[in-house]
Amino acid sequence: AQTVTQSQPEMSVQEAETVTLSCTYDTSESDYYLFWYKQPPSRQMILVIRQEAYKQQNATENRFSVNFQKAAKSFSLKISDSQLGDAAMYFCAYTSNTGKLIFGQGTTLQVKP
Amino acid sequence: EADIYQTPRYLVIGTGKKITLECSQTMGHDKMYWYQQDPGMELHLIHYSYGVNSTEKGDLSSESTVSRIRTEHFPLTLESARPSHTSQYLCASSWTSGFNEQFFGPGTRLTVL
Repeated sequence: AQTVTQSQPEMSVQEAETVTLSCTYDTSESDYYLFWYKQPPSRQMILVIRQEAYKQQNATENRFSVNFQKAAKSFSLKISDSQLGDAAMYFCAYTSNTGKLIFGQGTTLQVKP
Repeated sequence: EADIYQTPRYLVIGTGKKITLECSQTMGHDKMYWYQQDPGMELHLIHYSYGVNSTEKGDLSSESTVSRIRTEHFPLTLESARPSHTSQYLCASSWTSGFNEQFFGPGTRLTVL
């Protein structure tokens, strides 16, 4: 069975600094996608970034980028130039061709002004 | 912003009552999902649907039931609410292709007294 593990329940970063959130996963499949979702307090969950397993190049979306290490089954999220609006719970998620998402435990990110 | 709606946003109800949580999406997605999320915790899939008249149970056992009579509508029903059902319920939808992102609704926070 596939699993997703986020080992950092809470993280803190100073505004304008860079922070990295960790995620590891386990799967025997070769074709899959990985996602980072953001869930602000009392607000809708939104997709931050996604990575196709067959692509070697790391995905980037503005201030958000990932470090995808397929052999190590690691998928970390780097947030550059952190902003107060980045404060949220971040979930790493995995999906294969079933379309079902498997979520990690989440990391609560605090951004200090 | 994703066009997926959930009502009510908040519901406080007594034990034994029957409740229906509504979820609608206007994107024409075939796949729809229900997740259960306790505060500050990960999401667990409780139901999903691949299309009209298709419903499946998710990874987390739930006493709730779902129906999919129309593509855009995926209601969740609890016949007799109990305090153990207190949680947040998130609805999501996606295209048929297994690797497409899921779009989430704002959630319904249910409290059963």
